[in-house]
Amino acid sequence: DAGITQSPRHKVTETGTPVTLRCHQTENHRYMYWYRQDPGHGLRLIHYSYGVKDTDKGEVSDGYSVSRSKTEDFLLTLESATSSQTSVYFCAISTGQRQPQHFGDGTRLSIL
Amino acid sequence: DQQVKQNSPSLSVQEGRISILNCDYTNSMFDYFLWYKKYPAEGPTFLISISSIKDKNEDGRFTVFLNKSAKHLSLHIVPSQPGDSAVYFCAASFASGNTGKLIFGQGTTLQVKP
Repeated sequence: DAGITQSPRHKVTETGTPVTLRCHQTENHRYMYWYRQDPGHGLRLIHYSYGVKDTDKGEVSDGYSVSRSKTEDFLLTLESATSSQTSVYFCAISTGQRQPQHFGDGTRLSIL
Repeated sequence: DQQVKQNSPSLSVQEGRISILNCDYTNSMFDYFLWYKKYPAEGPTFLISISSIKDKNEDGRFTVFLNKSAKHLSLHIVPSQPGDSAVYFCAASFASGNTGKLIFGQGTTLQVKP
């Protein structure tokens, strides 16, 4: 299995609080991605990174920010959490174009 | 606008029979397609992929077929086993900025009955 660790695995928080999810990889892959999975929508890309300090938006980026200061870590931040951001969040890594992405086990986030 | 669609939310088959999961796409620029399997409380696991220059790719019990003219791909599992029971996602990407971004379908839940 690809060395991807997501933390925390579960989190419950209140509306309006900041939340940061961490993705850590030991594979030294260049590309890292954050997705959310919701019923009826599959996985939707939030943000991705193509190198240290190089990030870009995905299809559902509103309300989220990311940072990548080291190759191995990719952080997803919800500045002010809303109930619509209750979801399961997955991090993925890959070596690039036309290569499969490998996923972490997810973070289940509940915002009350 | 859903560019990748899996129109069957669920599929049930008998152990030993063939499972066929389908996926349709709308963007003709897609040139790389993948299938993932997902068990509850785990991340998706890569199964098999196919490039648009091919129409078939096999890996053991899993075969993916690509019909570019119909913008359709399918995953065949033969023979199906109870351990194959999971949610299956198809995904697609195209060469744009070399980012490797994937667009996923909604998923199909496969149940293989013993």
